[in-house]
Amino acid sequence: DAGVIQSPRHEVTEMGQEVTLRCKPISGHDYLFWYRQTMMRGLELLIYFNNNVPIDDSGMPEDRFSAKMPNASFSTLKIQPSEPRDSAVYFCASTLLGGGTEAFFGQGTRLTVV
Amino acid sequence: AQSVTQLDSHVSVSEGTPVLLRCNYSSSYSPSLFWYVQHPNKGLQLLLKYTSAATLVKGINGFEAEFKKSETSFHLTKPSAHMSDAAEYFCVVSDLGDDKIIFGKGTRLHILP
Repeated sequence: DAGVIQSPRHEVTEMGQEVTLRCKPISGHDYLFWYRQTMMRGLELLIYFNNNVPIDDSGMPEDRFSAKMPNASFSTLKIQPSEPRDSAVYFCASTLLGGGTEAFFGQGTRLTVV
Repeated sequence: AQSVTQLDSHVSVSEGTPVLLRCNYSSSYSPSLFWYVQHPNKGLQLLLKYTSAATLVKGINGFEAEFKKSETSFHLTKPSAHMSDAAEYFCVVSDLGDDKIIFGKGTRLHILP
């Protein structure tokens, strides 16, 4: 397996534009997590899915953020409209089972909103 | 709910000297604990994990960590630092009763020549 694949690796967009980040988890993994990493706040859990169903989205900062997982092999994180304070590295991770198992991370998407 | 506290945001050691990165956790259930490493502009890689077996856990690159329930600690150590160890290290907790994976704020390790 190629591991967790995120795209794009880098995204630069203007304030107010819609941004969509994509993630392909490892095949067979039942859990998918989205994290945001900033210098000030470290790695924050935004949302996670189990078998394509969102389980906990309490970390999503505000209504501008939404995440979907239409099938077991694909998830998106959308920001609409984007703001400069959304600039961060966004990571996707997947695990075979839930708590207690190793998380495999993608390489991240570096988002810059100007 | 589980949480994790990394006691130092930066640690500097000389090459060849021991490394100690401190981590304390809070957990309602039986926790699983992990250490991940992140090299500059890279993703995260698992160093080691504790899942209720042996309390002293050995990981990659000579790192190890000891689970101490009485102290709610899971400190990461290495006997002799190498320049390639310079990176950010994250302590992570996950409860069997809750599938969330919670990261500490991270400790940046600097290796002095």
